[in-house]
Amino acid sequence: GAVVSQHPSWVICKSGTSVKIECRSLDFQATTMFWYRQFPKQSLMLMATSNEGSKATYEQGVEKDKFLINHASLTLSTLTVTSAHPEDSSFYICSAPRGGAGNTIYFGEGSWLTVV
Amino acid sequence: GIQVEQSPPDLILQEGANSTLRCNFSDSVNNLQWFHQNPWGQLINLFYIPSGTKQNGRLSATTVATERYSLLYISSSQTTDSGVYFCALYSSASKIIFGSGTRLSIRP
Repeated sequence: GAVVSQHPSWVICKSGTSVKIECRSLDFQATTMFWYRQFPKQSLMLMATSNEGSKATYEQGVEKDKFLINHASLTLSTLTVTSAHPEDSSFYICSAPRGGAGNTIYFGEGSWLTVV
Repeated sequence: GIQVEQSPPDLILQEGANSTLRCNFSDSVNNLQWFHQNPWGQLINLFYIPSGTKQNGRLSATTVATERYSLLYISSSQTTDSGVYFCALYSSASKIIFGSGTRLSIRP
């Protein structure tokens, strides 16, 4: 069964609203989680590294005020797309290494976001 | 930073055929994984293989860390094998870097 769960799987929102996506590690603690964005027919682009108890580390070109990441516990990281616009429509997916960095990586189911 | 290249970018095969997918990387690694992304976007772990060879049913993988490449073999392909195959590895900055992927289409 799944070891990393992501919710919601699908979300449609209106322009200007905010959307929160949750990523949970189900049977292990994850001090680090990763958030990716994937455009159609492209590879996964790392957006940020979520660190439990501290600020997320964002990749170059990713707006931290646009994509708010909170890692409030050892099993939950959230990505909030603020003031969403149609160009934010994409597939977002999280991952976590089980047993810490360098170990087997597990992915959530992914979230399809459509902004209308 | 570390570069990860996959080949071929696209592969179309008839059901029952065998295939070899390649992943080249530019630096030494201590973690490499192969994933299959199905048409619904879900990423499925195939192998955690920083070195050596592993087999799981019709799939097997080999990583030659000293030569900086990994191979994924799929034998007797089935239509359900269609999708995108990614290799991913940890960079020195503890970031997970993905290759560009191989899009595999298996025709009945």
